[in-house]
Amino acid sequence: QSALTQPASVSGSPGQSITISCTGTSSDVGGYNFVSWYQQHPGKAPKLMIYDVTRRPSGISNRFSGSKSGDTASLTISGLQAEDEADYYCTSYTSSRTWVFGGGTRLTVL
Amino acid sequence: EVQLVESGGGLVKPGGSLRLSCAASGFSFNNAWMNWVRQAPGKGLEWVGRIKGMSGGGITDYAAPVKSRFTISSDDSKTTLYLQMNSLKTEDTAVYYCTTDLRGSPGDYWGQGTLVTVSS
Repeated sequence: QSALTQPASVSGSPGQSITISCTGTSSDVGGYNFVSWYQQHPGKAPKLMIYDVTRRPSGISNRFSGSKSGDTASLTISGLQAEDEADYYCTSYTSSRTWVFGGGTRLTVL
Repeated sequence: EVQLVESGGGLVKPGGSLRLSCAASGFSFNNAWMNWVRQAPGKGLEWVGRIKGMSGGGITDYAAPVKSRFTISSDDSKTTLYLQMNSLKTEDTAVYYCTTDLRGSPGDYWGQGTLVTVSS
């Protein structure tokens, strides 16, 4: 199972919106609504930000939103803040009964 | 409150074995999917495998790179998850995280991670 494809890096200024893409295949992203997104700050464990493509766990800001079209899922962060600077990972369930992660995207807040 | 505490990491030679443990609390362990996810130094996340609580049949699934070398098990009476790692390779060097899957995500909650270093 190949890793999902994410851009290596994205950047934005405070207050702006950014979108991170996560591209898979019909055997993972395109075939299931089990796509999640995680935020990871340096030296910390990842934190769940979005699950089931669009759902936010309790306590996660509504500035974070998820969507999916075909084999590509996306995470959008609006009203960018300095604290959003981190690595972001997507993951999807697959037809092999496994989970596959994306390679990760480093978000820089300018 | 969900708590996951991993232990058992350390330095091991190539070809050696190691067993990781994850003490869990704060949720219904015997009916939950539990995962191991690893992260090599400076690299991204990699799903290792999962197990369904014994009440759910103790089903296991593994990622291709570890299948036949790693075994996931759990003890419902101790609410503890295990990862038995055999025939370790240098590329298995990583921080290993124990995670819950309570709502269709392989990482609702994460432990603090335990570092496994495979080196001669």
